[in-house]
Amino acid sequence: KQEVTQIPAALSVPEGENLVLNCSFTDSAIYNLQWFRQDPGKGLTSLLLIQSSQREQTSGRLNASLDKSSGRSTLYIAASQPGDSATYLCAVRTPASGGSYIPTFGRGTSLIVHP
Amino acid sequence: GAGVSQSPSNKVTEKGKDVELRCDPISGHTALYWYRQSLGQGLEFLIYFQGNSAPDKSGLPSDRFSAERTGGSVSTLTIQRTQQEDSAVYLCASSVDRGHIFWEQYFGPGTRLTVT
Repeated sequence: KQEVTQIPAALSVPEGENLVLNCSFTDSAIYNLQWFRQDPGKGLTSLLLIQSSQREQTSGRLNASLDKSSGRSTLYIAASQPGDSATYLCAVRTPASGGSYIPTFGRGTSLIVHP
Repeated sequence: GAGVSQSPSNKVTEKGKDVELRCDPISGHTALYWYRQSLGQGLEFLIYFQGNSAPDKSGLPSDRFSAERTGGSVSTLTIQRTQQEDSAVYLCASSVDRGHIFWEQYFGPGTRLTVT
């Protein structure tokens, strides 16, 4: 059974720092990996999607890398801002016994960026 | 365009009652997912619909939970004889998945269910 772990569970940093959030998964037979942010009381917002054949994706100040063989992904946030404060979740898509591919989520990293 | 919408946004019900939660996916999205997010827990997969294929129900926690998707669009998650442990935020997501090609999931705002 796929397990996804996110480290650290919580992070508090001053504005302007560059950040690294980690996501690891136990079964490397993934189809893709997706990073999300969740603001308090809201749904999830997609940040980046990396297919299993890709090594990284970039969007603005965000860069996500994927090392499928070692079961790891990293989300890099450059020049953090208070508006980046949110919970960041990663999810991997893994083959399921019924033939479909089920998403498995980590518990997230709660980020606070203070001015 | 409109995103994924869910209704109601909040639902308070008494233990033992049945509840229905609704999800309207993004127009044209072939896949629809239901998840549950409990306080202090991660996001738990419940059920997945894709096109006309049989849904993947492997995440449903008990036979009190069921879901249907009518006309390949709107979906309803039904919880019968609710229990206090069913209290959670229920999230719906949609995607343009086709066959074994999976794309980004877009989430709705969720329905907060409280069972008293």
